[in-house]
Amino acid sequence: EVQLVESGGGLVKPGGSLRLSCAVSGLTFSNAWMTWVRQAPGKGLEWVGRIKSKPDGGTTDYAAPVKGRFTISRDDSKNTLYLQMNSLKTEDTAVYYCTRGGDYSNYWGLGTLVTVSS
Amino acid sequence: DIQMTQSPSTLSASVGDRVTITCRASQSISSWLAWYQQKPGKAPKLLIYKASSLESGVPSRFSGSGSGTEFTLTISSLQPDDFATYYCQQYNTDRTFGQGTKVEIK
Repeated sequence: EVQLVESGGGLVKPGGSLRLSCAVSGLTFSNAWMTWVRQAPGKGLEWVGRIKSKPDGGTTDYAAPVKGRFTISRDDSKNTLYLQMNSLKTEDTAVYYCTRGGDYSNYWGLGTLVTVSS
Repeated sequence: DIQMTQSPSTLSASVGDRVTITCRASQSISSWLAWYQQKPGKAPKLLIYKASSLESGVPSRFSGSGSGTEFTLTISSLQPDDFATYYCQQYNTDRTFGQGTKVEIK
């Protein structure tokens, strides 16, 4: 059974940093392209960014609102995906989902809530 | 940036109804479109990819069609479990979601 489990969410002040983790099991993580998607409270889905598998180059792409502030990385030895979020803004408040897929997402975690507030 | 516009925003329907949701792209995305279902407090679930390919395990009452800039998701006979919010997502250039369509009980 495929499982994606996010952690690391919480309350942070504007301008602060947070690192989210996503532990993946039940699939060959090293070959998987992975994506982060977020959803602000009561709002729709927003694509955050993706990372390719290392065999496919391991490169990253980001949505314009987070480019330069967020960094996606992976540790294939730990089957874990990361999202480093810096210079956080109140508009970054959302549930952050870890997903498998670089185009569309066929497996999703349950999400972790990030609240940016003073 | 490619904008995705769904219509309607809210749809009221009854069990057994045929339901159609439309998604329009601001420029051609070929067939690079996915559809998701999301229930309150839950993660989205993939229904359709490449505009018309049914994800494994998804009931056959769900179908997708279209190419270029106009796409539809059809539920042939609405079931109680189908009341949810549906999102389209393009993956032709970057990735963009539509704003969602809530299917509610009439």
